Amino acid sequence: GQSLEQPSEVTAVEGAIVQINCTYQTSGFYGLSWYQQHDGGAPTFLSYNALDGLEETGRFSSFLSRSDSYGYLLLQELQMKDSASYFCAVRNYGQNFVFGPGTRLSVLP
Amino acid sequence: DSGVTQTPKHLITATGQRVTLRCSPRSGDLSVYWYQQSLDQGLQFLIQYYNGEERAKGNILERFSAQQFPDLHSELNLSSLELGDSALYFCASSGGPVTSGGQETQYFGPGTRLLVL
Repeated sequence: GQSLEQPSEVTAVEGAIVQINCTYQTSGFYGLSWYQQHDGGAPTFLSYNALDGLEETGRFSSFLSRSDSYGYLLLQELQMKDSASYFCAVRNYGQNFVFGPGTRLSVLP
Repeated sequence: DSGVTQTPKHLITATGQRVTLRCSPRSGDLSVYWYQQSLDQGLQFLIQYYNGEERAKGNILERFSAQQFPDLHSELNLSSLELGDSALYFCASSGGPVTSGGQETQYFGPGTRLLVL
């Protein structure tokens, strides 16, 4: 089967940099996606890695290493509004989407 | 606002009942996805439709079914409801069926919160 693992919680202060890791066990997938979800809200797309390496989108960057079965989301210049849950997800070759359990990020003043 | 609409926003019903959740995708999007999110749980992929056809099936119970209509809106039917079915149900849409290596950003609706008593 497929499974993704993420830390359940991460805490950081405003202006800091935080890295949210995602490790996975899956036989094959197209790419690794990241979604943000604020309390009571819907998930919103953040980033996608089809290939190994770093993708940068503003303050957010995402990294994938297929050989290490590992990826991460890097958030820079943290702001209070970044407090949310972050999910990694893959679409496996069976066309099913698998989401990680989510990491709750708390940004402190 | 993602452009995806879901109705109703809230639904309270009793065990054993049947409910229908409705989703209208963004204008022009052909794919619709359904997800279940239980309290403090991650997102569980249920099913995907593309242009009226079932494309992928995830962890969807036999008591649940879905369909996508010619106007591309979709409905998720939940029957013989159990307490454990209480959850937030999200619909998402994207432009295409997702080809290998490609990324189809999914746009999520606001969700339907189902409470089974």
